Amino acid sequence: DVQMTQSPSYLAASPGESVSISCKASKSISNNLAWYQEKPGKANKLLIHSGSTLQSGTPSRFSGSGSGTDFTLTIRSLEFEDFAVYYCQQYNEYPLTFGSGTKLEIK
Amino acid sequence: QVTLKESGPGMLQPSKTLSLTCSFSGFSLSTSGMVVSWIRQPSGKSLEWLAAIDWDGDKYYNPSLKSRLTVSKDTSNTQVFLKITSVDIADTATYYCAREDDTMGFDYWGQGVMVTVSS
Repeated sequence: DVQMTQSPSYLAASPGESVSISCKASKSISNNLAWYQEKPGKANKLLIHSGSTLQSGTPSRFSGSGSGTDFTLTIRSLEFEDFAVYYCQQYNEYPLTFGSGTKLEIK
Repeated sequence: QVTLKESGPGMLQPSKTLSLTCSFSGFSLSTSGMVVSWIRQPSGKSLEWLAAIDWDGDKYYNPSLKSRLTVSKDTSNTQVFLKITSVDIADTATYYCAREDDTMGFDYWGQGVMVTVSS
């Protein structure tokens, strides 16, 4: 299985700041990586796929980068609605696997 | 508009079989390329992919649980089912179904159904 190591597990920031979340795969997954946002009471939302392609409806303050084994999700100019839990996921091969999640909280 | 909705028993006893249903609209599982997956998440923990079934009826399972899982779909291609045999307290989780796209991951998710295994 491809292990996905996500860090940090917890992040505190203020609105207007920028943050980055790292996701490392145990082997190359090309650019077959997605980022999701989880909020209570809402369906998980696909933010970014193919490592860096914004899904329709994702605000441009979100960006993704990386390929192979190292990936990063960056959120610029945080807005209140961005405080949530974020997961990375590889879809290069079965079994599909997720990172452990990053909880982004308001400082 | 694509929607998915999970349903299940809410609570069941250890050693029983868990049966879950994913009802969806806005797409047909008979369409080439379509895949529906099951994913679960114990409270406070990360997501675990369980199984998938595609438009052609091919099935994919997480090896860690394969012996206990059965995924299937109905003939109208609007529902997908998951059975987990011999459940244990460790199977307590919120179970999600999601539409899977091999070029982008899971583009649509259901809201999830909570399942508690308890005696």
